[in-house]
Amino acid sequence: EAGVTQFPSHSVIEKGQTVTLRCDPISGHDNLYWYRRVMGKEIKFLLHFVKESKQDESGMPNNRFLAERTGGTYSTLKVQPAELEDSGVYFCASSHRAKHNEQFFGPGTRLTVL
Amino acid sequence: EDQVTQSPEALRLQEGESSSLNCSYTVSGLRGLFWYRQDPGKGPEFLFTLYSAGEEKEKERLKATLTKKESFLHITAPKPEDSATYLCAVKNQAGTALIFGKGTTLSVSS
Repeated sequence: EAGVTQFPSHSVIEKGQTVTLRCDPISGHDNLYWYRRVMGKEIKFLLHFVKESKQDESGMPNNRFLAERTGGTYSTLKVQPAELEDSGVYFCASSHRAKHNEQFFGPGTRLTVL
Repeated sequence: EDQVTQSPEALRLQEGESSSLNCSYTVSGLRGLFWYRQDPGKGPEFLFTLYSAGEEKEKERLKATLTKKESFLHITAPKPEDSATYLCAVKNQAGTALIFGKGTTLSVSS
C-alpha cells in the first residue's frame, strides 16, 4: 500500500511569489491534515479535511494560505504571496475514518522563501 | 493553553544503555497521547496511542506509559537503528489536531 506522498520535496521561491504544494493521501482515507514545522519550533496544525470539506482550519496563519481538496482525493496548499516567515517544512497526513487517531504522515515539502 | 513539553532535547546513549524520554502535557480533556518517530528527511512515523492513565504499550525495545500529567517512552537496550527524533503529541477534547512537542533527538552509538 502506497503511503502519503507530497510534491515537491523542496521548493525555493522569492518573497512575493506563489507556491502550490500537493498532497496525495493514502487511498481510502477520508481525513487529510496539513501541518507545518518552522525552524526551531514544534510541528503545528494548519487544517483538517473530511473528504472535500474543511472540518477545522483554525491553524491557518492568514488569508495568504488557501487549501483545497478536489473531489475528496488529493489536496493542494497554496501560499500567495509568500513571505519569509512562511519558510519551513509542510507535512500532510491522512487517516481512515474508522481509525482517525492513527495519522500517517508524508515526507514533507521543505519550503524556502528568499 | 494546551501544551506539550519534551525532555531532554537531545540524548546520547551507548548501545545497550537503557533510558527514558519524558513528555509532560497540559491539555483540556485528553483524547489521546501519541508517540511518533521521525528520521531525518522523513515524516513522523506513528508508534503508539495512549488514552488513559496507567495504560502501557510496547513495541520491540520501546515501551510507552501514561500518567495524568506525563508520558514516558522507555528504550530498553537500544541499538544504533533506534537513533531518531521521538515526538510526543496530544489531542484535546475540542478538535482533531495533534498538538506536538519539539521532540527528543536520540543518538545511539555502537
